[in-house]
Amino acid sequence: GQQVMQIPQYQHVQEGEDFTTYCNSSTTLSNIQWYKQRPGGHPVFLIQLVKSGEVKKQKRLTFQFGEAKKNSSLHITATQTTDVGTYFCAGLGKTSYDKVIFGPGTSLSVIP
Amino acid sequence: GAVVSQHPSWVICKSGTSVKIECRSLDFQATTMFWYRQFPKQSLMLMATSNEGSKATYEQGVEKDKFLINHASLTLSTLTVTSAHPEDSSFYICSARIRGRYEQYFGPGTRLTVT
Repeated sequence: GQQVMQIPQYQHVQEGEDFTTYCNSSTTLSNIQWYKQRPGGHPVFLIQLVKSGEVKKQKRLTFQFGEAKKNSSLHITATQTTDVGTYFCAGLGKTSYDKVIFGPGTSLSVIP
Repeated sequence: GAVVSQHPSWVICKSGTSVKIECRSLDFQATTMFWYRQFPKQSLMLMATSNEGSKATYEQGVEKDKFLINHASLTLSTLTVTSAHPEDSSFYICSARIRGRYEQYFGPGTRLTVT
């Protein structure tokens, strides 16, 4: 079945450094979504990418969808302590009907 | 917009009892709701998908007789953990999706502890 992988599992950065997490699917995706879960909180929807090669920005966050629609990345420029949390990608497969498959997440720690 | 509530936020119950968790979409109609289980520092494990007015679709390995899901209206889904055991202790999170869209809006979660 469809699998979604994410690397790295954990990342510790100094405040102000950049951060990137990568998401890879075993199958071609219809779309990919990114969520952020703060410690003790619940996942919050960040963005959805649909088109091959699509790039979207939200302030310091840049999201990319690969040309083959099997991978994606989230890049944060100049991290802040408010960026702390776990970032999940979630892929909707072309034959997975209703559900998306969540990746294992990348936990980001920011050292002030 | 797109707020999902969950009740209770935490519950402690004795082994063998049943617990009901409610998930409500407050400002939109949720044609599809999902129930997840999350262990500490781990990802979301999808338990089941429920569509309003129809039976829930359970993921492989999830006992449908133990985890009863009801999606009675476009704004309410319930998860009942029957005959709970300590190994059912976990963080249960629901999410809801608006018709025609794929992003999910999550509830705040319910921390279940079975003693």
